[in-house]
Order: sequence, then structure tokens, then C-alpha cells
Amino acid sequence: GAVVSQHPSWVICKSGTSVKIECRSLDFQATTMFWYRQFPKQSLMLMATSNEGSKATYEQGVEKDKFLINHASLTLSTLTVTSAHPEDSSFYICSALHIEGARGYTFGSGTRLTVV
Amino acid sequence: DQQVKQNSPSLSVQEGRISILNCDYTNSMFDYFLWYKKYPAEGPTFLISISSIKDKNEDGRFTVFLNKSAKHLSLHIVPSQPGDSAVYFCAASVRELTGGGNKLTFGTGTQLKVEL
Repeated sequence: GAVVSQHPSWVICKSGTSVKIECRSLDFQATTMFWYRQFPKQSLMLMATSNEGSKATYEQGVEKDKFLINHASLTLSTLTVTSAHPEDSSFYICSALHIEGARGYTFGSGTRLTVV
Repeated sequence: DQQVKQNSPSLSVQEGRISILNCDYTNSMFDYFLWYKKYPAEGPTFLISISSIKDKNEDGRFTVFLNKSAKHLSLHIVPSQPGDSAVYFCAASVRELTGGGNKLTFGTGTQLKVEL
């Protein structure tokens, strides 16, 4: 149980285009989801907290107009990278909170974004 | 400002021996700590956690030790197996994970390689 599906697993796009990444909780409802970004050999950096039915909370330094987050249902959150540039190339991972306690966070498999 | 640090980017251990992965933190408000295992192009998977009221937690081959005064924790894996080869991240939270969805701050990871 507690599976989080993230799509696509990898995407290549041209500079200036937008890319949407989906994060779905398959067997549970997730009122809260998190979006992370990981550069090579670096830590997972929290970008934003996505709350169902309300605006996302962005971490300091993350452009909310560039990284649009929509959490329209209890099982789906989307991250749209708008007007992508090569410096946006990274590994994006979502996680969902499903139960209280240590095992409450389940991570998606991640999306490798390459902007050319 | 890296609040959670893993100073060893890599560790190599022989099969059957003990693997010790270390993690240091600077934020004294952290009171819940977790270890995650991550394979390339996949999301992290939960291993073990510890609350600040404890100094040790054990789960099978995995044991986490916490030294609050030194702001240091370590993950022991014994005996180490080739399948343990992965990147290990420690993460910290301000309070024990509850339905409120606390943010996780991740370390930079340690690549563990268990050799035959």
C-alpha cells in the first residue's frame, strides 16, 4: 500500500516551453504533497508544500510563477515548470503524506527534466 | 545553509561487515530524524527513524544512534549486503511527523558500496 506514482519519469523539452509533472497517490488520499528538486550529488531540496484545495507554500528562493503547483484533488498534485531554461534541468521528486508517524512520507520515483 | 550534513560522500564496505553512515545537524530544534535509501532514478524509501527522546532505535539489520549533545546521528547496517549499495540520506524534522505534514530537511547523502 501507499504508492505514489510520478509521471513522466523523464522528459526532454526545448527552452521556453512548459512541462507538467504529475504526482498521484494511488491507494490513499493525500491532503499534503511535497515537491523536491535534486541536483547531481546534492541533497533533496524542498521546493514547495502542496495542499489540496489551497495555494501551495513555496520555500524561500523558489519562484512560484515559474513552478506552478496545482493540488486539485486528494490524489493528484501537478508541478508545471513554465518557460523552462537549461538551468531548470534537474531531478524532481514528489512525496505524499498518508499516515501519521515515521513512515508517513511516500516518495514518487522522480522525473528527470532536461531542457535543451 | 546546510542544516543537515553528511560529510562522507561515499563509503565502501565488505560484505558481512558493518556499515556506519554518519550525519550531523546544526538546528537544535530538530527532534525527529529519519534515514532513507535511494537508488538512481528512483525516489527515496524509508528505512528507520528516531525521536529525540531516544538514543537508539533498532530494526533488523539497521540501527540508528542519536547523540543530541553532539548533534550527531549514525546509521549502522550489520551485516552489510551487496543489495544495500545505494545512496543513504538522513533527514530531520522539527517535530515528530504528524498529520500536519512537517517538512523534512535532507542531508547531501552518502553513497554506500558493499563489495563481495
